[in-house]
Formats: sequence, C-alpha cells, structure tokens
Amino acid sequence: DTGVSQDPRHKITKRGQNVTFRCDPISEHNRLYWYRQTLGQGPEFLTYFQNEAQLEKSRLLSDRFSAERPKGSFSTLEIQRTEQGDSAMYLCASSSPDRVDTGELFFGEGSRLTVL
Amino acid sequence: AQSVTQLDSQVPVFEEAPVELRCNYSSSVSVYLFWYVQYPNQGLQLLLKYLSGSTLVESINGFEAEFNKSQTSFHLRKPSVHISDTAEYFCAVARNYQLIWGAGTKLIIKP
Repeated sequence: DTGVSQDPRHKITKRGQNVTFRCDPISEHNRLYWYRQTLGQGPEFLTYFQNEAQLEKSRLLSDRFSAERPKGSFSTLEIQRTEQGDSAMYLCASSSPDRVDTGELFFGEGSRLTVL
Repeated sequence: AQSVTQLDSQVPVFEEAPVELRCNYSSSVSVYLFWYVQYPNQGLQLLLKYLSGSTLVESINGFEAEFNKSQTSFHLRKPSVHISDTAEYFCAVARNYQLIWGAGTKLIIKP
C-alpha cells in the first residue's frame, strides 16, 4: 500500500493554457474522488468515480473541466483554458468498498495549481 | 441540507496546554462524523471518526472527540498539546458517498 499519489505536485501555468493532473489511488480502492481546496476553505467536492464510471459531477465543475478514469485505476483531471480563479489545490482521494458508506477517504498530497 | 461549521479559523495555544477545536453540524438524519488533519505540506489524514456506538472516540495520538447529538456537535479535544500537533484540522460529515467539510481550524502551538 503506497497510498494515493498525485502528479505533478505543483504546476504554474499562464492563463488560457491547458493543464492535466494525474491521480493514482490505492490499488484495491474502487472509488476515486476529486476535490478542490482554496486557502482558508475546506475541500470542495468536484466529482467521483466508481471503477471507471463517473457517477457525479459538482456544479463547480464547469465545462472546462473534465475527469476520466479509463480503466478504473488511475484518473486524470484536465482543465482547459485555465483562468486565474482556477488557482487552487486539487486533491484526489480514494475509498475502499467496505468503507464507502462511512465516508472514510484516503487523500493524496494534492496538486497545487497557480494560474498567472 | 447538511453543513459543517468550524467556528474558529485559528486557535493559538501554549505547548502542553489543553485545546478544544469546535465543530457543529446540521443534519436531520443519522450522521457519520470525522476529523481530518493536514500537517504542513502534507495531504489530509483521518484523525478519528464517529460511526456508531460510544459517543467518545479517540485517536492514537491523544486526541478525542465526543459526539453530542442534542447539541449537534463533535468537538475535538486534547489535554496537552505538543509542537508536533501544529496543523490544520477539518471536521466533516458524510453524506452518502461524499464528505461535507468545515472550513478548517489552524492549531498554532506557542512555545
């Protein structure tokens, strides 16, 4: 069990560029979540997957955001035409089948995005 | 709708003093409650959880939290803090498949 890993840890980009973040969950976890966290706030839910199926997307997730989990293992979160308001920490978390109902999540260290 | 309120954005406390971090939630149904901790430059980690049973739950590093249904609270306490407890603490309530989070409380330990 190597934990949830996210890449890159930091990304600085210019407004209008596209960025992609990757998350590798704990191997036996079938649920994968993306959250966004800004300074002074708790994490905000973006979307989650059960295996390869994306089951819910938050209204926070505009059409510039897309997430995939093609083989039910790792996931990517792409932001197109980035805006300064997209600057935040993007958190990935996973959950095992026996802990799904209790809401216990295992988090990666996050990917910090800075849009100039 | 469920929500979580952490009233204090920062709590400064002297080392070896007791501390309480407050958390109130709103929910009309049974809840699962969590405290997560985020140490500097690290990811969120589960500190402790209340699912059912005893209303007093403890963590391995000396924190405890008490579920109080009548006051809809889940305050986090530690009788004696250490410099290594410096972190941000988040309270959360589970709603189906996801967590609803408070805004977090930064615990600042003064030497």
